[in-house]
Amino acid sequence: SAVISQKPSRDICQRGTSLTIQCQVDSQVTMMFWYRQQPGQSLTLIATANQGSEATYESGFVIDKFPISRPNLTFSTLTVSNMSPEDSSIYLCSVDLDTQYFGPGTRLTVL
Amino acid sequence: AQTVTQSQPEMSVQEAETVTLSCTYDTSESDYYLFWYKQPPSRQMILVIRQEAYKQQNATENRFSVNFQKAAKSFSLKISDSQLGDAAMYFCAYRSVYNYGQNFVFGPGTRLSVLP
Repeated sequence: SAVISQKPSRDICQRGTSLTIQCQVDSQVTMMFWYRQQPGQSLTLIATANQGSEATYESGFVIDKFPISRPNLTFSTLTVSNMSPEDSSIYLCSVDLDTQYFGPGTRLTVL
Repeated sequence: AQTVTQSQPEMSVQEAETVTLSCTYDTSESDYYLFWYKQPPSRQMILVIRQEAYKQQNATENRFSVNFQKAAKSFSLKISDSQLGDAAMYFCAYRSVYNYGQNFVFGPGTRLSVLP
C-alpha cells in the first residue's frame, strides 16, 4: 500500500489566480496521477506524471491550464492556473500499485 | 474503450440490514481488475475490495463481498450488517492490466444512506 498526503486540504481562491497543490508519497513510484472530481460527480483523470518527463494529459486538459511537476519519485505538484468558478472541484492525486491509492484530496473553491 | 455503469444513483439501507450495489462494465479484454471504492464525506477514497478477473472466487473483506459474473460483466457489492459508518459514495472501478495506470475507469457512483 501507499500513504499519500496532499497540501493544502482546502482553499478558497479568487478568479484569475493560480493554486499549486502538492502531493507526497511515502515510497518511490514511477507514475503519479492527478484527478478532478467536480461536485456530485465521479473522478476524471487529468494527467499522468512521470519523473523526468513531461506529463501526459487526457483529452480536455492542457498543460497551460494544469501544469504539473514531478521532480522526484515521491513528489508531484499540480497547478490550477487562471482559475474560474468552473474549476471549483476536489483534486486528488494517486499512485498505482496494481491498486490505486489516493491522497485525501484538495477541495478548491473559486469565487 | 472500457466503460463502467452504476445504475443506482442512490440507495438506502436500514442499519444491520444487507444491501447490494450494482455495477456493470464493458470491455473486450480478458484480464483486468475490478474495484469498489468508498468515499465518505471526508472525501478520502478508500479501497473496499479488489477482484482479479482471472479468479473465479468472489472476493470477500469482512462484511463486504462481491458477486463477480465475468460472462455477464457484472460486479455487484454486498454489504452485510450495515453500519452508520458505511454511509458514503461508492464507486465501482475497472483497471486494465495493460496501459498501466491510464486505463483506470470509474463508474458514476452510488450514494448509500444508512438509516438508524
